Amino acid sequence: QVQLVQSGAEVKKPGFSVKVSCKASGATFNSHSITWVRQAPGQGLEWMGTIIPALGVADYPQKFRGRVTMTPFQSANTAYMQLSGLTSDDTAIYYCATMRVHFPEHWGQGTLLTVSS
Amino acid sequence: QSALTQPRSVSGSPGQSVTISCTGASIDVGGLPYVSWYQHHPGKAPKLLIYDVNNRPSGVPDRFSGSKSANTASLTISGLQADDESEYFCCSYAGQMVFGGGTKLTVL
Repeated sequence: QVQLVQSGAEVKKPGFSVKVSCKASGATFNSHSITWVRQAPGQGLEWMGTIIPALGVADYPQKFRGRVTMTPFQSANTAYMQLSGLTSDDTAIYYCATMRVHFPEHWGQGTLLTVSS
Repeated sequence: QSALTQPRSVSGSPGQSVTISCTGASIDVGGLPYVSWYQHHPGKAPKLLIYDVNNRPSGVPDRFSGSKSANTASLTISGLQADDESEYFCCSYAGQMVFGGGTKLTVL
C-alpha cells in the first residue's frame, strides 16, 4: 500500500522559510513527478508546482517562481518543498502528491503551516 | 477564489444518487480529457476516485462515475452510503493544474 507521510505542523515568522518533507513508503518513486498543492483557510486548492525528475525540470506557476524550490524523491525516498519569504498569506495546509502522467495519484496527509509574528 | 467552480454542498439519502459538477473553461476542463476527482476527509490524505474524466482506479467502487460535457465535468455517486459523507474536489490538467473549491456531501 502506497503511503505518503508529510512532516509535522510548522509555525514560522514572516520573512522566514519553511521546508516540508514528503516520505513515500510501499513503493519507490525515484522517477515519479511530484506535485505540491496548498489550501489556505476557506479557500480551494492551489497548485504550487510539479517537479519532473525524468526531465530534470520543475514547473512552477508564475506566482511561486523565485520563492519555491522542490526536490524529487531521493535518498530515504523523501521529497521536499521549500518556500521562502513567508507572509501571512502563506498560512495554509500543504500537500504533496505523486503524479501519474497528468493527475495527482497518491497524496500526503497535509502539513499545516502558520505564518505569524 | 478557485479556478474551477463546484457547488459548496450537496446532499442525498442513503441509496439515492447525487451528482457534483465542476465547471471550468475551454482551456482546462473543456480542452483536454484530464479531469480527476478526489474524496477528502479533513485531516487525511485525499483519495483518487476518477481520472481522465471517467476512469476508476482499481479498488474504487463502480458506484462512483465521471463524465464531461463541454466545460463541465461531473462526478456521480450512486447508491449513497453513510461513509460517502465527505468533501469532494475536482482537478483539471491542461499544462497547469487547477482545482475546484470542493463540495461537501451530506448523507441525510
